[in-house]
Amino acid sequence: KAGVTQTPRYLIKTRGQQVTLSCSPISGHRSVSWYQQTPGQGLQFLFEYFSETQRNKGNFPGRFSGRQFSNSRSEMNVSTLELGDSALYLCASSLQGSEQYFGPGTRLTVT
Amino acid sequence: DQQVKQNSPSLSVQEGRISILNCDYTNSMFDYFLWYKKYPAEGPTFLISISSIKDKNEDGRFTVFLNKSAKHLSLHIVPSQPGDSAVYFCAASLSGGFKTIFGAGTRLFVKA
Repeated sequence: KAGVTQTPRYLIKTRGQQVTLSCSPISGHRSVSWYQQTPGQGLQFLFEYFSETQRNKGNFPGRFSGRQFSNSRSEMNVSTLELGDSALYLCASSLQGSEQYFGPGTRLTVT
Repeated sequence: DQQVKQNSPSLSVQEGRISILNCDYTNSMFDYFLWYKKYPAEGPTFLISISSIKDKNEDGRFTVFLNKSAKHLSLHIVPSQPGDSAVYFCAASLSGGFKTIFGAGTRLFVKA
């Protein structure tokens, strides 16, 4: 089986812009979660989708949003980018929310 | 409010010796715990897990211990190998694992 894929791998944006990140889960996985990783902060949970519905949400501002499509692919959007949004964004898929399989991440740099 | 804490940012161990990585949690409702390993430029990979009904789970060189009364778990790697050098994340979740909380990670250095 192919693993979790994320596009793009690297992205540079300027403050105020918006960005959309994409994640394709492992075939058959219906749960997709998004995390933000910054140095010293570990993986901060953004949100989790299952069958096109957001089931859980972390403590991030409304500028962070996501969605899931009928084929389980997911997108994450960040509007009005701030310098502090620079991070590695990781997507993970799972069958029933147990062990998660992570993609390689998208490295976002906001200048 | 950090519900999952890894208080040691880094750990250095000699090859062949035991590596012990520690993790504390605050929410007694967590009932499933996991360890992930992360190499640079890659996403984390699942290593080993333990349910709250157990106090030990073993998989080859990796053993996870859970002490529910102390809200503490640890990962033992024996013997440690240079290829084990990575960042290790502890994670905890509620039933069904719909929302998983990760610790900040511990960077393990295994010296040859």
